[in-house]
Amino acid sequence: DGGITQSPKYLFRKEGQNVTLSCEQNLNHDAMYWYRQDPGQGLRLIYYSQIVNDFQKGDIAEGYSVSREKKESFPLTVTSAQKNPTAFYLCASETGTANTGELFFGEGSRLTVL
Amino acid sequence: KQEVTQIPAALSVPEGENLVLNCSFTDSAIYNLQWFRQDPGKGLTSLLLIQSSQREQTSGRLNASLDKSSGRSTLYIAASQPGDSATYLCAVGSNDYKLSFGAGTTVTVRA
Repeated sequence: DGGITQSPKYLFRKEGQNVTLSCEQNLNHDAMYWYRQDPGQGLRLIYYSQIVNDFQKGDIAEGYSVSREKKESFPLTVTSAQKNPTAFYLCASETGTANTGELFFGEGSRLTVL
Repeated sequence: KQEVTQIPAALSVPEGENLVLNCSFTDSAIYNLQWFRQDPGKGLTSLLLIQSSQREQTSGRLNASLDKSSGRSTLYIAASQPGDSATYLCAVGSNDYKLSFGAGTTVTVRA
């Protein structure tokens, strides 16, 4: 089945550690996105990529990093510089580009800082 | 900056009642509007995508309307069922290619 797979579903991090969240898609979409969701707020864009080997900062990129070496993969690293990393992280891909198409989301990864 | 508001934040209805969910946005220069469903602890599932040139979209019991001039979209769910209980979010794509999400309306359908 085509879709987006995020792993791990749950992740615990100690203060000062970097962690990497995986996002893989087999939908053959060019555009991929990382969002953060906090209770009572709308989703906020962390990073996005319109094509392989290219990515752009979103509204809240500080303390995060990404790579896009393959079309299918868009991993997100939450670094120790992110001051409040506990949140639900959602990866998405798009049928079009630059938010002109339909978005498809993974099941999310919940990160908790101990 | 586009601001997207969904009121109310929560809604509880008896089974069989029609649901009306509202989404308002401040900038009418939009490219599209998408409605999503989110179950607790899960990702978002796309329900309907309305292009700016369209007035409405329908899928089964779901119907979404779009009025750009007034900055509103409404999602109608006919004959609600307990399985419709979820959080419903709208997202507005603006002409600057940015996507803005509302905080969602959490719906409970009572059996």
